[in-house]
Amino acid sequence: SQTIHQWPATLVQPVGSPLSLECTVEGTSNPNLYWYRQAAGRGLQLLFYSVGIGQISSEVPQNLSASRPQDRQFILSSKKLLLSDSGFYLCAWGTPGAGDTIYFGEGSWLTVV
Amino acid sequence: GENVEQHPSTLSVQEGDSAVIKCTYSDSASNYFPWYKQELGKGPQLIIDIRSNVGEKKDQRIAVTLNKTAKHFSLHITETQPEDSAVYFCAASKNDYKLSFGAGTTVTVRA
Repeated sequence: SQTIHQWPATLVQPVGSPLSLECTVEGTSNPNLYWYRQAAGRGLQLLFYSVGIGQISSEVPQNLSASRPQDRQFILSSKKLLLSDSGFYLCAWGTPGAGDTIYFGEGSWLTVV
Repeated sequence: GENVEQHPSTLSVQEGDSAVIKCTYSDSASNYFPWYKQELGKGPQLIIDIRSNVGEKKDQRIAVTLNKTAKHFSLHITETQPEDSAVYFCAASKNDYKLSFGAGTTVTVRA
């Protein structure tokens, strides 16, 4: 069966510091991969998606970037965090050709102070 | 782009009663409508979905209905239990990798 792992689960970072959140998927090949952000008490905003290694699509202009160095690895990064980057970050995966069904990881809570 | 509106934002029901959450979408090309349940501090879990070629789908106490003409779809939970308390999100997409989510409904089941 497929599983998705995301880490770290929580982190507190000072303004201006770098960020790296990592996500890996097991039990499937060539998944579609996604990063979403959920601000406190709000809905889900798509940040990035990837349909293959090195292929990244950005949905909103922001202070973040994403990379996919391996087939089942997706990384969310920032060089300098802003207060507004605080939120709950969710990695998700989907099967190509299976429509837009996606499955989320457990999420990473980021607090920028 | 697609705009999904979800109502109500909060819903309190007595244990054993039914809960209904409604969503509307704007893009008539949308053809996939999933529902997710999110418990506190966790990632959303897919609980049921429906595609545009059917009007209703059921899975035990959960059902989803779709009205393509009116561009709305609903989640029905029957015989609610305390473990149904969570935030529920609807979403819509047109097979373009992009799910558009509603703002969520916080459901509280009173014992």
